Amino acid sequence: AQTVTQSQPEMSVQEAETVTLSCTYDTSENNYYLFWYKQPPSRQMILVIRQEAYKQQNATENRFSVNFQKAAKSFSLKISDSQLGDTAMYFCAFMKPWSNYQLIWGAGTKLIIKP
Amino acid sequence: EAQVTQNPRYLITVTGKKLTVTCSQNMNHEYMSWYRQDPGLGLRQIYYSMNVEVTDKGDVPEGYKVSRKEKRNFPLILESPSPNQTSLYFCASSSTGEGYTFGSGTRLTVV
Repeated sequence: AQTVTQSQPEMSVQEAETVTLSCTYDTSENNYYLFWYKQPPSRQMILVIRQEAYKQQNATENRFSVNFQKAAKSFSLKISDSQLGDTAMYFCAFMKPWSNYQLIWGAGTKLIIKP
Repeated sequence: EAQVTQNPRYLITVTGKKLTVTCSQNMNHEYMSWYRQDPGLGLRQIYYSMNVEVTDKGDVPEGYKVSRKEKRNFPLILESPSPNQTSLYFCASSSTGEGYTFGSGTRLTVV
């Protein structure tokens, strides 16, 4: 069974700093998707970034980028030039396509951006 | 606007009183799913649906029912709610592996 582990329950950084959130996963699959979701205090679940396992190039979305290490089963999220609005829970999730498209979630990392 | 509409946002009910949480999406997505979110546990899948009239259990289906009579709607039914079903519930939809779009969540309290 697939599992997702986020080893940092909480992190805090100063505004404008760069922060990296860790995520590791366990699977025997070769093709899958990985996601980072953001959940601000409004509790809305917002897709931040998506990575397809067969793509070696790391995904980027503006200030958000990932370091995808397939062999190590690692999928970290880097937030550059952090802003107060980045304060949120961040969840890493794994999905195996062509089955039930179930998302397997990590427990989350609470990120606090300090002014 | 492409969205998943989930209602109600907050619900307080008593043990044993049947309730339904509605979910509707306007993106013509085939896949829909219900998750519950509990502190320290992340999200866990309750039920999912691959298409109309096709539903199946997720990881924590006990005490819940769903139906998918139309492509856009996927209600979650608690026939006899109990306090251990107090949680934050999310409905989500997806067309492929692009990632799910989530509703705004329903905070359910069962007393």
